[in-house]
Amino acid sequence: EAGVAQSPRYKIIEKRQSVAFWCNPISGHATLYWYQQILGQGPKLLIQFQNNGVVDDSQLPKDRFSAERLKGVDSTLKIQPAKLEDSAVYLCASSLAAGNTGELFFGEGSRLTVL
Amino acid sequence: AQSVAQPEDQVNVAEGNPLTVKCTYSVSGNPYLFWYVQYPNRGLQFLLKYITGDNLVKGSYGFEAEFNKSQTSFHLKKPSALVSDSALYFCAVKSRANNLFFGTGTRLTVIP
Repeated sequence: EAGVAQSPRYKIIEKRQSVAFWCNPISGHATLYWYQQILGQGPKLLIQFQNNGVVDDSQLPKDRFSAERLKGVDSTLKIQPAKLEDSAVYLCASSLAAGNTGELFFGEGSRLTVL
Repeated sequence: AQSVAQPEDQVNVAEGNPLTVKCTYSVSGNPYLFWYVQYPNRGLQFLLKYITGDNLVKGSYGFEAEFNKSQTSFHLKKPSALVSDSALYFCAVKSRANNLFFGTGTRLTVIP
């Protein structure tokens, strides 16, 4: 079974530029999550989708971050304009459904460096 | 609100010795608790979870965790550490919205 796919793995940009990350969840997984992991910290939830609807985006900095999950499968996370403090690994995860007690499956992450 | 705490940033243990990585939680209602491991430049890998039932949960790679309701703890354990167990370990609790809230992580180093 294929895992969660993310791209790009690495991205370096200058502040005020924009960047986009892509995620393809495990086939059949209805719930998709984007987490931000800053060096030395635990992952922090940015946004959670159930199919193509948003369940929780309370910690998403909406003035610069946006995310969409068209057709309830792939998702894109965008940052515009980027700040130095956005340097982090962006992890995508998926699970079968939001209501179960199952685990989340994570991709390998996209590492962003903002100069 | 739910939270987890990992009181140790770093744990060092000699190869072959038992290891413990500590986690305490704070939730309202029944806790759904998880342990994940992260190797360098990799995503998080699921180790084990406690939902209900037996307080001793067995997981991947020989790891187990003990749920203790009176002490609100969910410590990760392994009887005999391997050098390959060296990694970053995260405790997590499921929120009401069914996403995971993670602790700050504990770096485990197994010394040959």
